[in-house]
Amino acid sequence: GAGVSQSPRYKVAKRGQDVALRCDPISGHVSLFWYQQALGQGPEFLTYFQNEAQLDKSGLPSDRFFAERPEGSVSTLKIQRTQQEDSAVYLCASSQGTGGFYEQYFGPGTRLTVT
Amino acid sequence: GQQVMQIPQYQHVQEGEDFTTYCNSSTTLSNIQWYKQRPGGHPVFLIQLVKSGEVKKQKRLTFQFGEAKKNSSLHITATQTTDVGTYFCAGRYAGGTSYGKLTFGQGTILTVHP
Repeated sequence: GAGVSQSPRYKVAKRGQDVALRCDPISGHVSLFWYQQALGQGPEFLTYFQNEAQLDKSGLPSDRFFAERPEGSVSTLKIQRTQQEDSAVYLCASSQGTGGFYEQYFGPGTRLTVT
Repeated sequence: GQQVMQIPQYQHVQEGEDFTTYCNSSTTLSNIQWYKQRPGGHPVFLIQLVKSGEVKKQKRLTFQFGEAKKNSSLHITATQTTDVGTYFCAGRYAGGTSYGKLTFGQGTILTVHP
């Protein structure tokens, strides 16, 4: 594929609503990462998948956040009962190899605004 | 927790001046990557450093990894307006169970005045 794609690009949710953010990684990329980027900050790690296995979810801020990658390709980040502090850009990245030794290709992000 | 500190937060230069951003970790890193994010864009990979004391160059950009693998720098010679953006370092910590996790610095926002 051309690159990492994410949808939707923008999402406005009322506080308390559930949202689902989708990531289509580059075809064949084994690793997939989710990051949260607040305005003026660096991306903050949320979770890491190697194929369909979620090997690290240490960055998920609460049990309202859930990510899956059931077939080892497309991934979904779900946020339940959204709060205002969840407002941020959610970035997905994929890489060819495993672990953190490979170049990460980032998608354009989903900007989530919780009102 | 494990943090990567990056300074300065902002840097304004005249076109043609040099620019440097620094990253520092209190804990040894196994590798460090550098990314550039243009305004309104997403991070784009620039380079990876793995070895102690490693120096890599890409045209006007010079990247260094410290001997102790706790700090790194990016130096741009003779900046151009196309260099505008935010530069991030991202480190992976040796050992532990965070196998895939990269910890990003806060970034340095570079503006270049023509």
